[in-house]
Amino acid sequence: DSGVTQTPKHLITATGQRVTLRCSPRSGDLSVYWYQQSLDQGLQFLIQYYNGEERAKGNILERFSAQQFPDLHSELNLSSLELGDSALYFCASRPRDFGTEAFFGQGTRLTVV
Amino acid sequence: GNSVTQMEGPVTLSEEAFLTINCTYTATGYPSLFWYVQYPGEGLQLLLKATKADDKGSNKGFEATYRKETTSFHLEKGSVQVSDSAVYFCALDTGRRALTFGSGTRLQVQP
Repeated sequence: DSGVTQTPKHLITATGQRVTLRCSPRSGDLSVYWYQQSLDQGLQFLIQYYNGEERAKGNILERFSAQQFPDLHSELNLSSLELGDSALYFCASRPRDFGTEAFFGQGTRLTVV
Repeated sequence: GNSVTQMEGPVTLSEEAFLTINCTYTATGYPSLFWYVQYPGEGLQLLLKATKADDKGSNKGFEATYRKETTSFHLEKGSVQVSDSAVYFCALDTGRRALTFGSGTRLQVQP
């Protein structure tokens, strides 16, 4: 158990809909990262938050947004969903924003139909 | 920018065979290097790491040496087991943003 909790584990939704994925980092970890893993691609970095503030952006679509709350949990919002958004979405946390290993949750598998 | 290149998979080996998964990187500065493993249906977990040149990371029989001169961090294991079947990711961290991952290499070990 990595200590990072993601909910829900599975999500099936229709095109055009909006969903929210939730991540609770390890106790005390200030940094939260979101990654997308598609079948034919590796891990694509989406966005990072550090202690409530956006720290870095990767290949995140404009239809996607995220935030980190005062209790350090984070939510990834995906809207106007398309078939191509079907993927595993991972959250990871680490104590600071560099230099230490990242701990990954088990992921949320999103299926858009 | 930073990037990690891994050998294409899948890699299929018989039990007790020797494993090498190649990883090379491009980075500014002096990155830390990691190998993560993803078992079926699970998230990624750290397998080993090295934080400076010539460091050797090791865990569960796996090893990788940080080679600055060849910008490589190849993963090796002397004798693989069926339970090692998984996807292996090489990653780097320069401290400027998130971990940069390679595309992953699927390992299949047959009894």
